[in-house]
Formats: sequence, structure tokens, C-alpha cells
Amino acid sequence: KAGVTQTPRYLIKTRGQQVTLSCSPISGHRSVSWYQQTPGQGLQFLFEYFSETQRNKGNFPGRFSGRQFSNSRSEMNVSTLELGDSALYLCASSRSSGSSDEQFFGPGTRLTVL
Amino acid sequence: EDQVTQSPEALRLQEGESSSLNCSYTVSGLRGLFWYRQDPGKGPEFLFTLYSAGEEKEKERLKATLTKKESFLHITAPKPEDSATYLCAVLLPDTGRRALTFGSGTRLQVQP
Repeated sequence: KAGVTQTPRYLIKTRGQQVTLSCSPISGHRSVSWYQQTPGQGLQFLFEYFSETQRNKGNFPGRFSGRQFSNSRSEMNVSTLELGDSALYLCASSRSSGSSDEQFFGPGTRLTVL
Repeated sequence: EDQVTQSPEALRLQEGESSSLNCSYTVSGLRGLFWYRQDPGKGPEFLFTLYSAGEEKEKERLKATLTKKESFLHITAPKPEDSATYLCAVLLPDTGRRALTFGSGTRLQVQP
């Protein structure tokens, strides 16, 4: 069974640009969550999507946004990139939105902002 | 303020030397505690979910336990391939169902 896939794996952008990251969940999983991981702040929750609807959002500025498609694939977008946005962006999928379901993470997209 | 604290930050063991990692939390109404393993450059790999005090789960050389204030990840006779960062995370009662709050992790190194 294929795991969570994320593309691209690596990205280099400059300040002020925008970027779009993609996540394909495990087949049959309908919930997708996004996290940001940095050495200083660790893993922090960005947002969750279920059935194409954003269900919850973490404490990040509006430059961070996302969406989910009918096939459960999800994208996140960061506009007007800042140096501090350099991080590993992780996507996690779970079967439903129930709290008892485990979240399975993808390999992440490493974003470097110059 | 709800917090998740892991200790120690780093741990170096000899192969076969058993030890425990700690995850303490100050959360009212814990809805679940999760353990993950993360290798460098990779996403976290799910290990265990614990829901209530007294619960225990095992997988190979790992055993996770939960009390009302902390969780332990016991590693019995570790091998070099157990070297990784171990993360614990909790589901807080006032956040959305999938918003995990993570600790900073314990970097484990097992030397042959």
C-alpha cells in the first residue's frame, strides 16, 4: 500500500515569491493535515482538510493557505515568502476525521527561502 | 498553558543498554497521546497511540506507557537501527481533531 507522497521534495525560492506544495494521501484516507517543522519551533500544526473543507487552522499568518480536492489530494500555498518560512513541510493523512485515527506522515518538502 | 515536554533532549546508549524516554504533558482532558519516530530527512513514522492512564502498548523492542501526567517510551536491548529522534504528541481538547501538539523530541543514538 503506497504511503503519503509529497511533491516536490526540495524547493529553493527567494523572498517575496510564492510556492505551492502538493500532498497525495494514502488511498482511502480523507483527512489531510499540514505541519511545519523547524529546528527552533519543532513541529507545528498548520491546518487540516476533510472532504474539501478546512476544519481547523493553526496559529500561522494568512500567507499560508491550502485546499483539498475531491480525490483528497491537498495543496498548500505560501505567498510573499519570508526567510523564516524555510522549513520542512509535512503532510499527514488519516482515514477519517475521528480523533482515534492515527496520522501517517509523508517524507516532507524541504523549502529553502533565500 | 498546555505543554508537552520531552526528556532527555539527547541520549546515547550502548547496544543492548535499555533505557526510557519521557514525555510529560500539562493538558486537561487529554484526547490521545502519540509516539512517532523520525529519521533524518524523513517524515515521522507512527509508533503508538495511548488514550487512558494505565494503557500500555508494545512493538518489538519498544513499549509505551501512559499515566495521568506523562508517558514513557521504554527501549529494551536497543540496536543501532533504533537510532532516531522520538517525538511525542498530544491531541488537545480545545483544538480540532487532527491538530497534534508535539514535544521537541529526544535524539537517540545507539552505538554498536
